[in-house]
Amino acid sequence: EAQVTQNPRYLITVTGKKLTVTCSQNMNHEYMSWYRQDPGLGLRQIYYSMNVEVTDKGDVPEGYKVSRKEKRNFPLILESPSPNQTSLYFCATSKVVGTGNSPLHFGNGTRLTVT
Amino acid sequence: KQEVTQIPAALSVPEGENLVLNCSFTDSAIYNLQWFRQDPGKGLTSLLLIQSSQREQTSGRLNASLDKSSGRSTLYIAASQPGDSATYLCAVKRDNYGQNFVFGPGTRLSVLP
Repeated sequence: EAQVTQNPRYLITVTGKKLTVTCSQNMNHEYMSWYRQDPGLGLRQIYYSMNVEVTDKGDVPEGYKVSRKEKRNFPLILESPSPNQTSLYFCATSKVVGTGNSPLHFGNGTRLTVT
Repeated sequence: KQEVTQIPAALSVPEGENLVLNCSFTDSAIYNLQWFRQDPGKGLTSLLLIQSSQREQTSGRLNASLDKSSGRSTLYIAASQPGDSATYLCAVKRDNYGQNFVFGPGTRLSVLP
């Protein structure tokens, strides 16, 4: 079954304690991306990756890091989380073919609370 | 800068009604537009993708149209069912590099039995 798997689903942490949210896909997709979803602000892109070892900033990259060492994994790293990073996070993947008219596939989300 | 809006923010209809959800975008230079469904506590599921050269796409009871020149897309749901209750989001692909989208805020739909 084609899947985008995020872990953990829920995470409560304290300010400054480094954390990693994992994203793994089994569809051999080249493209992977992280979004955060906040009430009133909608979905905003944090980082994306076109392929292994290729990452780019999205609209709201401050306070986040990513890496793409393998095609299937795209972890999101918060080196020093702050309360304004409390949000619902989604990983999304897509096959990139030609001009890129391929649908996005989303994980089930990670709800992060930073106190 | 591309901005995407959706009207209405919320909609409640009785079962069996046909309904239309609206999506507007400020920059007509888009590459494609996708409609998604989001259930509470879940991720987004892609419903329909309309390429910039297309006018509409259909899947079952869903029909999405695209008018690039006016910066509008509509999602038509026929014979609505309680299982259609969810938040519907539209997103426009803003460039030809990768799969980077600008999302609308969504319309929360409730279909009452």
